[in-house]
Amino acid sequence: DTAVSQTPKYLVTQMGNDKSIKCEQNLGHDTMYWYKQDSKKFLKIMFSYNNKELIINETVPNRFSPKSPDKAHLNLHINSLELGDSAVYFCASSQASGAGGGPQHFGDGTRLSIL
Amino acid sequence: KQEVTQIPAALSVPEGENLVLNCSFTDSAIYNLQWFRQDPGKGLTSLLLIQSSQREQTSGRLNASLDKSSGRSTLYIAASQPGDSATYLCAVPTGGGNKLTFGTGTQLKVEL
Repeated sequence: DTAVSQTPKYLVTQMGNDKSIKCEQNLGHDTMYWYKQDSKKFLKIMFSYNNKELIINETVPNRFSPKSPDKAHLNLHINSLELGDSAVYFCASSQASGAGGGPQHFGDGTRLSIL
Repeated sequence: KQEVTQIPAALSVPEGENLVLNCSFTDSAIYNLQWFRQDPGKGLTSLLLIQSSQREQTSGRLNASLDKSSGRSTLYIAASQPGDSATYLCAVPTGGGNKLTFGTGTQLKVEL
């Protein structure tokens, strides 16, 4: 199936640990994103990459480090997890960057819970 | 700074009713506006993308309208069904179009 897929779907871990979330899209898109949805269901951009290059870093703490090994993958590594990092993290992709880049397609999310 | 608001925050209607969801944005200089649906525990499904040059966009029982000058978009759902129950989100491109700014969402419940 053509899609944006994220792993894992659920992640439960202790404060202070380091964890990674992976995202892959097979839509042939150039641009990928990470969004965070908090407990009040508000969605906010974290990072945007176009063709493996970072184009948006929305004042996210540097404990969060995205990595794009190729344009089909955008992974998110989080160091020293804190309670406030508990949220749902969504990966998305679009054909291109910019407002004319087409609609964004989202993965099913990774539900991160910090104990 | 663009701010996107959706009213109402929650809505419960009987099956078969026609309904309107509202989305307001503070900066009218938008390129397009996208409506999404989010089911519990799931990601976002794109419903409609309406360009700034368009006034309406239709897909099945869904119709989205856009009035840039007044900073508003509406999503009209005809003959609602229980399967339409979900959270509906609108979003506009910001940051040079390189990110979406989302509204606060409307949680819809269609009852039998």
